[in-house]
Amino acid sequence: KNQVEQSPQSLIILEGKNCTLQCNYTVSPFSNLRWYKQDTGRGPVSLTIMTFSENTKSNGRYTATLDADTKQSSLHITASQLSDSASYICVVSAYDSGAGSYQLTFGKGTKLSVIP
Amino acid sequence: DAGVIQSPRHEVTEMGQEVTLRCKPISGHDYLFWYRQTMMRGLELLIYFNNNVPIDDSGMPEDRFSAKMPNASFSTLKIQPSEPRDSAVYFCASSISGLQETQYFGPGTRLLVL
Repeated sequence: KNQVEQSPQSLIILEGKNCTLQCNYTVSPFSNLRWYKQDTGRGPVSLTIMTFSENTKSNGRYTATLDADTKQSSLHITASQLSDSASYICVVSAYDSGAGSYQLTFGKGTKLSVIP
Repeated sequence: DAGVIQSPRHEVTEMGQEVTLRCKPISGHDYLFWYRQTMMRGLELLIYFNNNVPIDDSGMPEDRFSAKMPNASFSTLKIQPSEPRDSAVYFCASSISGLQETQYFGPGTRLLVL
């Protein structure tokens, strides 16, 4: 069964500090992995997308890494700001050749709180 | 573009009542998705459409749930009859070219069934 596990469930850090969020998956066959940021009361917004051949991708202060061998991804936030307070959701896409379609598996998210 | 538009933003209803959620996708996007989000289960894909045609409704929890897309700019998600366990935030999203591509989410409808 395809699964995506995120850790930690929640995290509190001081403004200006760095942090790393983890995503482990058992989705197969892997197509891509995406990180979403969801502010409270709003819909998720895509931060990065990574395919099998990509190890690292950055979007400003956000850097995602992917290890396809160990089926792990991380999202590193540098010099955190109060506006980084949000839930971060990892979503893995797999191609179902039998159905001829893609399937998405969602993690439950990590809730990050950045405090002054 | 205004992005994905959903209405209403909040809905409070009593058990047994019919609930209709509405969505207007981004113009030019061929795919439309309906999601449900709860604390316990996270985000769940309920159903999605390609060019107004339902492609996969395997995530629809029960026959009480139905979705339609009569044209490229409008979709509805209906719950009849509603139950307290349907309380959740329902998101609509759209993408240009597929499930695995970047999806743009609406602000969501927060539903509370008493």
